[in-house]
Amino acid sequence: AIRMTQSPSSFSASTGDRVTITCRASQGITTYLAWYQQRPGKAPKLLISSASTLQSGVPSRFSGSGSGTDFTLTISSLQSEDFATYYCQQYYNYPYTFGQGTKLEIK
Amino acid sequence: EVQLVESGGGLVQPGTSLRLSCAASGFTFDEYAMHWVRQAPGKGLEWVSGIPWNSDSIGYADSVKGRFTISRDNAKSSVYLQMNSLRAEDTALYYCAKASNGYSRASSVSWGQGTLVIVSS
Repeated sequence: AIRMTQSPSSFSASTGDRVTITCRASQGITTYLAWYQQRPGKAPKLLISSASTLQSGVPSRFSGSGSGTDFTLTISSLQSEDFATYYCQQYYNYPYTFGQGTKLEIK
Repeated sequence: EVQLVESGGGLVQPGTSLRLSCAASGFTFDEYAMHWVRQAPGKGLEWVSGIPWNSDSIGYADSVKGRFTISRDNAKSSVYLQMNSLRAEDTALYYCAKASNGYSRASSVSWGQGTLVIVSS
């Protein structure tokens, strides 16, 4: 199975900060990479698919980039509602696998 | 509006079976693949299984392969997860998700609220 490794596992930041989360795949997945946001007690929400395609309704402060094995999720200016846990997922090959998650906390 | 409603969770003993259901509405069900994803208490997300629109090319996580079976009934707009030989480590909230297309290589676009499975003696 393809292993997905996110960094950092947790991070403290302030409203207005620019934040970057990285995700590395153990083998090439071209751009079959999704980013999800999960708030406490809620179902995950798809933010970005195909490594860089923003889903409808997702604020433009979110962006994704990368291909092959290295990917990033960037939030250009953190808002209070962005403090959540973020997961990357490869859907290049079964079994589809998630990263371990990055918990974004308020500093 | 897409709606996914999971059911069938509960408290079961190790070694027993359980069947989860997910009723879908608000989209043309037989045009989309479907996934099951689970989350153990306080842990991250784990993709469990996926099934394309025509039930071809089904996939499973290594942790459930040989024990879980995914299926779908397009006439009933429903997807199922038959879980056999349950273990304590299968304890989790199980989410049903609609894929971004009808085939494999699809992200999970819409999610239900989940059904809780607890495996304990």
